[in-house]
Amino acid sequence: DGGITQSPKYLFRKEGQNVTLSCEQNLNHDAMYWYRQDPGQGLRLIYYSQIVNDFQKGDIAEGYSVSREKKESFPLTVTSAQKNPTAFYLCASSSGPKGAEAFFGQGTRLTVV
Amino acid sequence: GNSVTQMEGPVTLSEEAFLTINCTYTATGYPSLFWYVQYPGEGLQLLLKATKADDKGSNKGFEATYRKETTSFHLEKGSVQVSDSAVYFCALSEGEAAGNKLTFGGGTRVLVKP
Repeated sequence: DGGITQSPKYLFRKEGQNVTLSCEQNLNHDAMYWYRQDPGQGLRLIYYSQIVNDFQKGDIAEGYSVSREKKESFPLTVTSAQKNPTAFYLCASSSGPKGAEAFFGQGTRLTVV
Repeated sequence: GNSVTQMEGPVTLSEEAFLTINCTYTATGYPSLFWYVQYPGEGLQLLLKATKADDKGSNKGFEATYRKETTSFHLEKGSVQVSDSAVYFCALSEGEAAGNKLTFGGGTRVLVKP
């Protein structure tokens, strides 16, 4: 089945630690995205990538980093510089043409302990 | 910049009631408009979309019409079911030149009671 797989579903981070969230897609999409969702709020864009080996900052990139070494994979690292990382993180991909829908993964819930 | 404003919830309805969720947008170009739905603990799923003015998107009994003159994309369903309980997000995309990034509204939680 084609889709987007995020792992892990739940992740706990200690203060000062870096953690990496995985996102893999087998839809052959060029573009991939990371969004952050806080309780009762909409989604905010962290980073996006339109092609392998290239990515751009979104609206809230501070404290996060990404890589895009393969078309299928777009991991997100939450660094210790992110002061309030507890949130629900969603990865998405799309095929590119105007009006193309974005397909979302099931999300990773990150909690700082 | 772009922005999407949708009515705050929660919206509580009885089964078979009529549902409307208002959505208005601000964009510099000619965006595509979307409604996504999120069930508890899950990612988002596309509900419907429209890519140009006066287009109507429809799916699973839900409808929304792209109104350029009022910059709106209101979601409607004539008779809701308990299974429609979810959070609904209105979103816009300015297309490939802008990276197909989605700008989301704050979401509207809908609760349908039997």
